[in-house]
Amino acid sequence: QLQLQESGPGLVKPSETLSLTCTVSGGSVSITSYYWAWIRQSPGEGLEWIGSVYYIGTTYYNPSLKSRVTLSVDTSKNQFSMDLTSLTAADTAVYYCAREREYYDITGYENYFDFWGRGTLVTVSS
Amino acid sequence: SYDLTQPPSVSVSPGQTARITCSGDAFPKKYAFWYQQKSGQAPVLVIYEDNKRPSGIPERFSASTSGALATLTISGAQVEDEADYYCYSTDSSGNHTFGTGTKVTVL
Repeated sequence: QLQLQESGPGLVKPSETLSLTCTVSGGSVSITSYYWAWIRQSPGEGLEWIGSVYYIGTTYYNPSLKSRVTLSVDTSKNQFSMDLTSLTAADTAVYYCAREREYYDITGYENYFDFWGRGTLVTVSS
Repeated sequence: SYDLTQPPSVSVSPGQTARITCSGDAFPKKYAFWYQQKSGQAPVLVIYEDNKRPSGIPERFSASTSGALATLTISGAQVEDEADYYCYSTDSSGNHTFGTGTKVTVL
């Protein structure tokens, strides 16, 4: 069974950079038709997609975060990572990593998240 | 940006039917997907491609799309169905968007 596990600091200071890693087990990140994504959820709020990365390094980002986010993948470690710069209190959230299935159907390109990590709480505070 | 609008809350008595709507301009051209998120847990996919249930999801979960409205139905709601529910879709520009979320209370 595929499992994803987020790791990284639980507390970061304003203006600093958040770096999170997702370790994939029970499957490979080097698989076609699947992207690897980051999604976050601020306390008491809804879900926000941050961005997705393919195993060859292709990325796409939420336009609202694009200027501050960089995603990458390390196939040798079966991991993918996220850097989020210029943090503010508004970036306090539970950060989830997830597998994103992308495919082409009669409706055009479709995608959805089929496996999720348990999430890690990141607090931005001095 | 692309918006998916859901009612903030829905209440239902055990054994009754709960319906959660999701309004989005991309429907019905694009598929609707539905996630269940119980307190303190990661979301779980309960419906994909408008109306299909993944393996392991109870039959009481069903969904449909009509025009710009997608609807998730829980027939015979159980106490364990109490959770937040999010619709999800991607518009023609590739924007990955979750709905605003609906808190379902079963009491």
